[in-house]
Amino acid sequence: SQTIHQWPATLVQPVGSPLSLECTVEGTSNPNLYWYRQAAGRGLQLLFYSVGIGQISSEVPQNLSASRPQDRQFILSSKKLLLSDSGFYLCACKGQGSAPNTGELFFGEGSRLTVL
Amino acid sequence: SQQGEEDPQALSIQEGENATMNCSYKTSINNLQWYRQNSGRGLVHLILIRSNEREKHSGRLRVTLDTSKKSSSLLITASRAADTASYFCATNAGGTSYGKLTFGQGTILTVHP
Repeated sequence: SQTIHQWPATLVQPVGSPLSLECTVEGTSNPNLYWYRQAAGRGLQLLFYSVGIGQISSEVPQNLSASRPQDRQFILSSKKLLLSDSGFYLCACKGQGSAPNTGELFFGEGSRLTVL
Repeated sequence: SQQGEEDPQALSIQEGENATMNCSYKTSINNLQWYRQNSGRGLVHLILIRSNEREKHSGRLRVTLDTSKKSSSLLITASRAADTASYFCATNAGGTSYGKLTFGQGTILTVHP
């Protein structure tokens, strides 16, 4: 079965510092990958998605960027963090065996970022 | 912006009672999904209902979908303390949406033993 690894699990960073959150997927190949952000007590906002290596689509203009250097690796980055970047970042992929455009998502355990 | 809106925002019940959560959405969908999130953890998929389905069951879960009203409900029967979590609905537009899901704000369910 598939597994999503996210790290770091928790991160405290000063304003203006860089960011790199990593997500790797096991147990599936050529998955659609997604980065979501969850503010405290709220729903999930889709930030980026990728349908293949090097293919990134951004959903909202912001201070963040994403990259997919390998089939099962998805990275979320920032050059200079803002206070508003604080949140819980979740990586997701299509569930193994699920329909590519309509099936369920499988989530990692998340990375909690606090910007001070 | 979030398409799904859950109601209520928070629900507190006793063990053994049923819990009903509602979700409304705004645009046409291919399917609607419900997820569960324990505090500080990732989301776990519970159930998917397609736009041409009206009701679906999975164990103690019952989901209904009314596309004319653009609404769905999740019923958890005979709740347990372990059901305490946040529950989110999410809509999939199908087509060329690349599997993206639009999530609601969630319902926080607390089940007291």
